[in-house]
Amino acid sequence: GEDVEQSLFLSVREGDSSVINCTYTDSSSTYLYWYKQEPGAGLQLLTYIFSNMDMKQDQRLTVLLNKKDKHLSLRIADTQTGDSAIYFCAEIPMNTGFQKLVFGTGTRLLVSP
Amino acid sequence: EPEVTQTPSHQVTQMGQEVILRCVPISNHLYFYWYRQILGQKVEFLVSFYNNEISEKSEIFDDQFSVERPDGSNFTLKIRSTKLEDSAMYFCASSEAPRNYGYTFGSGTRLTVV
Repeated sequence: GEDVEQSLFLSVREGDSSVINCTYTDSSSTYLYWYKQEPGAGLQLLTYIFSNMDMKQDQRLTVLLNKKDKHLSLRIADTQTGDSAIYFCAEIPMNTGFQKLVFGTGTRLLVSP
Repeated sequence: EPEVTQTPSHQVTQMGQEVILRCVPISNHLYFYWYRQILGQKVEFLVSFYNNEISEKSEIFDDQFSVERPDGSNFTLKIRSTKLEDSAMYFCASSEAPRNYGYTFGSGTRLTVV
């Protein structure tokens, strides 16, 4: 199947770290992505990781990949109120010939002051 | 930074009417997509388009739906006879090389069928 699962909700205080988790199904996926959706807005590509990497750091964002467990996480350091949004992980399974992006269920991050 | 442009941002239509949602992908991109997101739900794949033809479509993309790239810049999604359950946010996306760079999404068209 193509189910990508995420926890639905995460609440943190400003300045804390946030960790958003995702499990995916296709172990052959080459790239895994994190998208951010602010209220009423489109989907913004935040970062992505190639499947031969364990970790990728990009300023406040750290992506960890555990291929054995098919587990992906996004850590946001020093979380700000502007980080409040829905975060989607996504994969492009190898069995999709034309590279269809499959999204997770989305995690709503709420950052309180 | 190049962006994908969608118009209109919000469309209200009566059940049974035809709607056309418009998108201008990034100019050097080759792969084009439509996705939809019913309020509070997952982002669902509708259709992919490459080399001037549909390359893949989902079960949602039935005979009521069609896509066109009429003039080499616009990419449209038409719904022939809208139903209440078509109410959703529709996202257009384009990509130069999806596995390498992911997609760039437009800001979406919110379709409300009444």
